[in-house]
Amino acid sequence: QSVLTQPPSASGTPGQRVSISCSGSSSNIGSHYVFWYQQLPGTAPKPLVYNNNQRPSGVPDRVSGSKSGTSASLAISGLRSEDEADYYCSSWDDSLRAWVFGGGTKLTVL
Amino acid sequence: EVHLVESGGGLVQPGGSLRLSCAASGFTFSTYDMHWVRQAAGKGLEWVSGISTAGHTYYADSVKGRFTISRENAKNSFYLQMNSLRAGDTAVYYCATGLDIWDSWGQGTLVTVSS
Repeated sequence: QSVLTQPPSASGTPGQRVSISCSGSSSNIGSHYVFWYQQLPGTAPKPLVYNNNQRPSGVPDRVSGSKSGTSASLAISGLRSEDEADYYCSSWDDSLRAWVFGGGTKLTVL
Repeated sequence: EVHLVESGGGLVQPGGSLRLSCAASGFTFSTYDMHWVRQAAGKGLEWVSGISTAGHTYYADSVKGRFTISRENAKNSFYLQMNSLRAGDTAVYYCATGLDIWDSWGQGTLVTVSS
């Protein structure tokens, strides 16, 4: 059971906007930044969002992150087939004194 | 260009030990916190351990007391000494680093704990 809770799956059709949620608590998301990673099969994770809503260079602006209280969301608009991947949220947890990940969300582009 | 290369993975019996290494290049290693993240087959990401630039160490509860992280700045390398290995430690182990976010990852090294 992951400390951060994500839906196991999400889906959308090309061009649509999809959102993936990440729920935590006051000891992690409520107190610290949220980070998002994308992982394609057989590859290392790739960073998508840092500090709740900042995009690393090279990440398109159709990707966005937000945070409210103890929850965060990743939104991808203009969905493309290459967006089909696993997505993970992450944050620091004060109680555990550890980095924690969500269980991951498998995004399917129909 | 930042480059991270893990080594040291392999097959080990339950209760055994293994030492993973991560060799870094393309950045000033001593100024970056470094981390180990693992992923069991078909499962999600799990942070294992991290070491700060000052040498402070952090561990996931699942490995505390069994794993030890260390770094050797002169060799641009850091390590994960894994003792008392269990079947549940079987995973691909990645080393990762970055400033704003972990934007540099190794290719991963597979650790299999089995008799």
